[in-house]
Amino acid sequence: DQQVKQNSPSLSVQEGRISILNCDYTNSMFDYFLWYKKYPAEGPTFLISISSIKDKNEDGRFTVFLNKSAKHLSLHIVPSQPGDSAVYFCAASGWGSGNTGKLIFGQGTTLQVKP
Amino acid sequence: ETGVTQTPRHLVMGMTNKKSLKCEQHLGHNAMYWYKQSAKKPLELMFVYSLEERVENNSVPSRFSPECPNSSHLFLHLHTLQPEDSALYLCASSQEHSFSGNTIYFGEGSWLTVV
Repeated sequence: DQQVKQNSPSLSVQEGRISILNCDYTNSMFDYFLWYKKYPAEGPTFLISISSIKDKNEDGRFTVFLNKSAKHLSLHIVPSQPGDSAVYFCAASGWGSGNTGKLIFGQGTTLQVKP
Repeated sequence: ETGVTQTPRHLVMGMTNKKSLKCEQHLGHNAMYWYKQSAKKPLELMFVYSLEERVENNSVPSRFSPECPNSSHLFLHLHTLQPEDSALYLCASSQEHSFSGNTIYFGEGSWLTVV
């Protein structure tokens, strides 16, 4: 049972344009969401997070949006740069159903930013 | 430079060998984790330690044996592995393990190949 889903395995955008990565979740007890970025042969790097009391969090070129009613979050990168090319994982955690803060990861989306 | 360091970065071992993966965190965190990443699969949580005590074991086969001698060090002892155990093994740490709002920081991973 995949509680966190990233339905697009890959995304390709032009440099300077906006990249939008999507993530859906099924567990209504999740209340904290994170995005990680992973380059090949490296571990995931924490990028940005959002608590369920907010619907938007911004950090430089990265903005995460949370739509609790739709159980959907997205990561916007603008403007996209070639160095942003990586695999992006969304993750969620919350209380209840044995979660107790454990992070549940999606399958990842590979972003390619073309020069 | 990451606050979580893993050694070795690459390991090739035979099915009858015994080897260990080592992880050290320099972040003053109380919780440490082992994750497994196989090709085209989400990150899988293997073990969770909080203050050197194992708090979670996600149905991991006994051929994987974790050890946490103190809150800064975590080992994964490997013996009689199978070729399907070949994967990227990621160590991670966080301030606490049992509350939402938990941001996990990863090491760079140890690539394991079982031949």
